[in-house]
Amino acid sequence: GAGVSQSPSNKVTEKGKDVELRCDPISGHTALYWYRQSLGQGLEFLIYFQGNSAPDKSGLPSDRFSAERTGGSVSTLTIQRTQQEDSAVYLCASSYGQVVTDTQYFGPGTRLTVL
Amino acid sequence: ILNVEQSPQSLHVQEGDSTNFTCSFPSSNFYALHWYRWETAKSPEALFVMTLNGDEKKKGRISATLNTKEGYSYLYIKGSQPEDSATYLCAFWTNSNSGYALNFGKGTSLLVTP
Repeated sequence: GAGVSQSPSNKVTEKGKDVELRCDPISGHTALYWYRQSLGQGLEFLIYFQGNSAPDKSGLPSDRFSAERTGGSVSTLTIQRTQQEDSAVYLCASSYGQVVTDTQYFGPGTRLTVL
Repeated sequence: ILNVEQSPQSLHVQEGDSTNFTCSFPSSNFYALHWYRWETAKSPEALFVMTLNGDEKKKGRISATLNTKEGYSYLYIKGSQPEDSATYLCAFWTNSNSGYALNFGKGTSLLVTP
């Protein structure tokens, strides 16, 4: 595809339900990143993948959050037992190779609302 | 997480004015600094990736400089236009034993009025 895509674009769920957010990076990009922006807050870095590997998961907000990437392409961010404080826009980005120095291209985001 | 500070928090200028913002970051263990432009209801757009002390990068009317020894970067916009209205974010990569993390400033919100 031409750019990073994310699905769904909007997700409304009830507290306690699990949700899965999907990110399709630009073809050929080996690095992938997840961020979130909560209402009134700045952009928060969650996790990055180099290939299928996520070296540091300490940025995930709690153990209810997990992320995986398979085949060096699609990534999913899963939130178990959602809470109202999980409501945010979740952004995904990808870059060609080097995690630190390459330009990141962002997807349109998934707006998650937990009722 | 290390502090990345941006100033001013917001800025309102007239069309045609030139302006600049500051991003301050810890000067130790520097890896790279990124500048992003984020318009309302859109995704962040990368402006610059800066890695070397003394780097100066330019993209149209926007330019940025980097001083890693004193821990700051300036973003300049020459002849601001209404379409420059956005939040400008800087982000600083840090490294720990387990990997890298990207630390964002809170951004400078720019409004350019005709």
